[in-house]
Amino acid sequence: KQEVTQIPAALSVPEGENLVLNCSFTDSAIYNLQWFRQDPGKGLTSLLLIQSSQREQTSGRLNASLDKSSGRSTLYIAASQPGDSATYLCAVREENTDKLIFGTGTRLQVFP
Amino acid sequence: DTGVSQNPRHKITKRGQNVTFRCDPISEHNRLYWYRQTLGQGPEFLTYFQNEAQLEKSRLLSDRFSAERPKGSFSTLEIQRTEQGDSAMYLCASSLGPTGETFGSGTRLTVV
Repeated sequence: KQEVTQIPAALSVPEGENLVLNCSFTDSAIYNLQWFRQDPGKGLTSLLLIQSSQREQTSGRLNASLDKSSGRSTLYIAASQPGDSATYLCAVREENTDKLIFGTGTRLQVFP
Repeated sequence: DTGVSQNPRHKITKRGQNVTFRCDPISEHNRLYWYRQTLGQGPEFLTYFQNEAQLEKSRLLSDRFSAERPKGSFSTLEIQRTEQGDSAMYLCASSLGPTGETFGSGTRLTVV
């Protein structure tokens, strides 16, 4: 059974720092991996999607990497801002399925 | 089209009552998903439709839960005889094809 783990569970940093959020998954037979952002009481916003054949994706200050064989992904946030404060969720889609399996998230607070 | 719409945003109900939630997907999206998220956890898959066909159901979806998507448009999720353990955020997502879901803002259910 696929399990997705995110470390750390919570992170509090001053504005301007570069951050790394970690995601690991137990079964490497995945179709793709996504990083989402969730603001309190809100739905999910997709940040980056990495197909299983890709190694990384970039969008603005965000960069996500994927090492499928070792079951790991990282989300790198450059020059963090208070507006980045949110919960970041990692999710994998296994091969031959249409559902996402989520980690428990990393709650990020960036203070001025 | 402004995205995936969920109603109501909040629902408070007494234990034992029935509740129904509605999800209006993005109009051209043929796939529709329901997830449940409890406090401090990532979303968990409940069920998935492709057009009007319900193709997959999680074991989390007990006999008290039923979902429909008549005519492949909006979807409803009904919970009968609610229990306190049903208190959660219920999230709907839609997509065109097997990836790139857009999530709604969710319906927060509180069972008292």
